[in-house]
This record gives sequence, structure tokens and C-alpha cells, in this order.
Amino acid sequence: KAGVTQTPRYLIKTRGQQVTLSCSPISGHRSVSWYQQTPGQGLQFLFEYFSETQRNKGNFPGRFSGRQFSNSRSEMNVSTLELGDSALYLCASSLLAGGDYGYTFGSGTRLTVV
Amino acid sequence: DQQVKQNSPSLSVQEGRISILNCDYTNSMFDYFLWYKKYPAEGPTFLISISSIKDKNEDGRFTVFLNKSAKHLSLHIVPSQPGDSAVYFCAAKWNTGNQFYFGTGTSLTVIP
Repeated sequence: KAGVTQTPRYLIKTRGQQVTLSCSPISGHRSVSWYQQTPGQGLQFLFEYFSETQRNKGNFPGRFSGRQFSNSRSEMNVSTLELGDSALYLCASSLLAGGDYGYTFGSGTRLTVV
Repeated sequence: DQQVKQNSPSLSVQEGRISILNCDYTNSMFDYFLWYKKYPAEGPTFLISISSIKDKNEDGRFTVFLNKSAKHLSLHIVPSQPGDSAVYFCAAKWNTGNQFYFGTGTSLTVIP
């Protein structure tokens, strides 16, 4: 079966711009979580969506937002980009809420803010 | 504040020997732990899990040990193979449906 698909794989944006990242979970998975990975910080939880509702939110500013569609696909938006937003953004899907029994991660979107 | 810590950023081991990756956590409420492996340019892949009702879980060459009193878990890989060279993340959570907290990762290099 198809894995978790994230698009685009790479992005270069300028400070102040906004960006939208997309994630298509494994078919049948209703939970999509987003993580930011930076060197030295590991994976930091952004938010989780389950059945189109945001269930959990990590400690990130309001510039980071997301949504989930009825087909479970999810988008993440970052507005007013800052240099510190440069990171690998990982999407993870799971059958159950909270990633119980483990996530399946996508390959990530590498965002570079210049 | 980092609730899950992997204090060794890197580890090198000879092929065939044991690799031991360590993880410490601060929140005593954590009751479910996982290890993920990540190759460059790929997303993390699930490796092995353990719940707080157990102190050991094995899956082939991989064994995870949990010491709740010390708030410490470790991943043992025996024997280590060059294909095991990757970054390993530990993750923890409490309660069903809550978020996972990840460590910063340990880069394992298995030398042929």
C-alpha cells in the first residue's frame, strides 16, 4: 500500500513569506501529526488532526497552523516565515489518535528560509 | 524543556558487536515508549516499542529495556550490522491519544 506522501520535498522561501505543506496519509489512517525536526532539537510536535479536528497542539506560535480534509489529507501553513523556521517538516499518519502503536512517517519537506 | 533526552549524539561500533543506545526521560507519567530509526532523506521508521508494564521487549536483533525507577530506557542491537547505521530516536508519551515526545537522536555508525 502507498506510504505517507509529503509534497513538496524541498522548498526555499524568503523571510516574511508564507508556505503551505501537504501530507497524504496512508489510506484508512485518520490521524495526521506534524513534527518539526531541527539539529539539536530532535522532533518537536506541532499538532495532530484526527477526523478533521485538531486534537493536540504543541508549543509553537500561531504562525503555524494546519487543517485536515475529509479524505484525511492534511496541510500545514506557516505564515510570516522566519529564518529559524528552516527545518525538516515531517508528517506522520496513524490509524488511531495519538499515534498509538506507532506512526508511519513521510520523507518530509525540507524548508529553507533565506 | 526537553522531556526526553538522548545524551550521546553519536556512537560508533564494530560490525558484529553490540550497540547500546540510551534514552532518559524526566516525566514519570510516561507509560509508552518507542524507538525509531531514520536514514538520511527518509522519514523515521518504527523499530520497537515498550509499555511501562514491561521492562523488556525483544524483536529479533533489537531489544529495548525499560528502567522505570531510573527513568531510563535503552536499545540493544545484537549483532550490529552496517545497515543499522542511522539516526535513532526514542519517543515517549502518557495516556492514549496524547502526543509523543522525541529525543534529539543518536547517530549510530556500524564499522564493517
